[in-house]
Amino acid sequence: AQSVTQPDIHITVSEGASLELRCNYSYGATPYLFWYVQSPGQGLQLLLKYFSGDTLVQGIKGFEAEFKRSQSSFNLRKPSVHWSDAAEYFCAVGDSQGAQKLVFGQGTRLTINP
Amino acid sequence: DAGVIQSPRHEVTEMGQEVTLRCKPISGHNSLFWYRQTMMRGLELLIYFNNNVPIDDSGMPEDRFSAKMPNASFSTLKIQPSEPRDSAVYFCATGASGSEQYFGPGTRLTVT
Repeated sequence: AQSVTQPDIHITVSEGASLELRCNYSYGATPYLFWYVQSPGQGLQLLLKYFSGDTLVQGIKGFEAEFKRSQSSFNLRKPSVHWSDAAEYFCAVGDSQGAQKLVFGQGTRLTINP
Repeated sequence: DAGVIQSPRHEVTEMGQEVTLRCKPISGHNSLFWYRQTMMRGLELLIYFNNNVPIDDSGMPEDRFSAKMPNASFSTLKIQPSEPRDSAVYFCATGASGSEQYFGPGTRLTVT
């Protein structure tokens, strides 16, 4: 069965600092990987996705993620965070390229210090 | 497009009452998903439909929960009777073949 682990429940960084959120997955076949962001009181918004090809994927809002098959990881990065990036971030793995069944991690809450 | 539309946005009801949550998918999307989000359990998939047909309802907690999709433009999630432990945010998400899921704003349900 698929599973996703986000080891960090809560991360605090200063505005302008770099960010890396960790995601590890467990899946027997080629994974389809996603990062979503959820602002308070809102639904989830897709930041980026990996289906195949280049293992470094670019997303919206200046985020990127790198797929590392050998480490079963799909970590999210941003070189310089903004106060508006404060939110909850979810990593998810799917079993097909399309909008099929996703398994989500528990989420990482990001706090930005001014 | 207006995105995924959910109603109501907030619902407060008493234990034992019937609750109906509604979702209007993005036009052209043929997959629809119902999720529940709580602090304790995170984001859980309850059920999903492809082309209006329920594909996997293994996440539905118990018989008190039911979901329908009578056509491509509308889905409901019903809880009867409701219990305090059903209090959560319920999300509807939709997608098209070969694409990601788009989430609605959610319905915050409080059962007292």
